[in-house]
Amino acid sequence: GQQVMQIPQYQHVQEGEDFTTYCNSSTTLSNIQWYKQRPGGHPVFLIQLVKSGEVKKQKRLTFQFGEAKKNSSLHITATQTTDVGTYFCAGGSGGSNYKLTFGKGTLLTVNP
Amino acid sequence: SQTIHQWPATLVQPVGSPLSLECTVEGTSNPNLYWYRQAAGRGLQLLFYSVGIGQISSEVPQNLSASRPQDRQFILSSKKLLLSDSGFYLCAWRALQVGLETQYFGPGTRLLVL
Repeated sequence: GQQVMQIPQYQHVQEGEDFTTYCNSSTTLSNIQWYKQRPGGHPVFLIQLVKSGEVKKQKRLTFQFGEAKKNSSLHITATQTTDVGTYFCAGGSGGSNYKLTFGKGTLLTVNP
Repeated sequence: SQTIHQWPATLVQPVGSPLSLECTVEGTSNPNLYWYRQAAGRGLQLLFYSVGIGQISSEVPQNLSASRPQDRQFILSSKKLLLSDSGFYLCAWRALQVGLETQYFGPGTRLLVL
């Protein structure tokens, strides 16, 4: 079945440093989504990427979808303590498949 | 706007006791509904999903079951809890819209089985 690998599992940075997490799918995706889960909270949808090579920005967050639609990345510029949490990617295969395949997540901690 | 509710927020249950967790969605019709479990510090494990009333698909064979008695109600149950059932249970919904696969999660139920 479809697998989505996400690295790194953990990342600790100093406030102000950049951060990147990567996702790689075993199969071509219809779309990829990113979620953020704050400590003690539930996953919250951030963004969906659909087009090959698509790049989207949300303030200090930059999301990319690979040309082959099999990989994606989330980059945070100049991290802040509010960025702390686990970032999940989730691959969608479209069509009649109703499920998302989630990566295991990257836990980001930020030292003030 | 759409909202999703889960209760209870936290639950401590003895081994062997039954379980019933409820999830309801407001503001949408005929959503896809999902139950996930998240162990401490781990990823999301899909347990069940439902595309309509009475339609349940199981992803992981275990002592849990799910039911969808109404369009916007999803229930997770167990007859006898195991220690390994402890975790954070998340319900999610997805709108039936072509090209939109986003799932929206409820606040979750933290279950501790002792």
